[in-house]
Amino acid sequence: DVKVTQSSRYLVKRTGEKVFLECVQDMDHENMFWYRQDPGLGLRLIYFSYDVKMKEKGDIPEGYSVSREKKERFSLILESASTNQTSMYLCASSSGVDTQYFGPGTRLTVL
Amino acid sequence: DQQVKQNSPSLSVQEGRISILNCDYTNSMFDYFLWYKKYPAEGPTFLISISSIKDKNEDGRFTVFLNKSAKHLSLHIVPSQPGDSAVYFCAASASDYKLSFGAGTTVTVRA
Repeated sequence: DVKVTQSSRYLVKRTGEKVFLECVQDMDHENMFWYRQDPGLGLRLIYFSYDVKMKEKGDIPEGYSVSREKKERFSLILESASTNQTSMYLCASSSGVDTQYFGPGTRLTVL
Repeated sequence: DQQVKQNSPSLSVQEGRISILNCDYTNSMFDYFLWYKKYPAEGPTFLISISSIKDKNEDGRFTVFLNKSAKHLSLHIVPSQPGDSAVYFCAASASDYKLSFGAGTTVTVRA
């Protein structure tokens, strides 16, 4: 079974703090994704990566950056957290154009 | 601009009856469609998919129907069980790495 893990289930940060969310997958998948989920909006793609050190912007990249130094690890960085970044953050991985497999999510609250 | 739409935010169904979830899309390049199920505080889990070369795919109690001319797909759950109470997301892909998600439909199965 594919396993995608995320570093924290719940996180509370203050406005202006730098926030790191980390995701690790154990299936040697080439592709990794970061989404945020908000009520009534579904899942929106922030960034994705199709190879080590490669990244592409998704639909809502503003205020975020990512890092992929190793194939199994994909980090989402909030350079200066703001209250409108309070959300559920979901990481996913896939092989090729196949099904994406998700981690359990991180509920981030920015005060 | 949301390319995948789930126009019913919620659905309530009696245990043992059929649940029908609907999804519409606007991008004619989409050729692969998926349904995910999500419980609160968990990541989405893959449920069932269908390629655009098919019009039906069945897996146990779950069947997905695709009507390409109408750009519409639906998920049928028969019979509905209490454990099916969750949020269901429709997603679509245009043979690239990315998925576009709908806003989700919350299903409640009544005993």
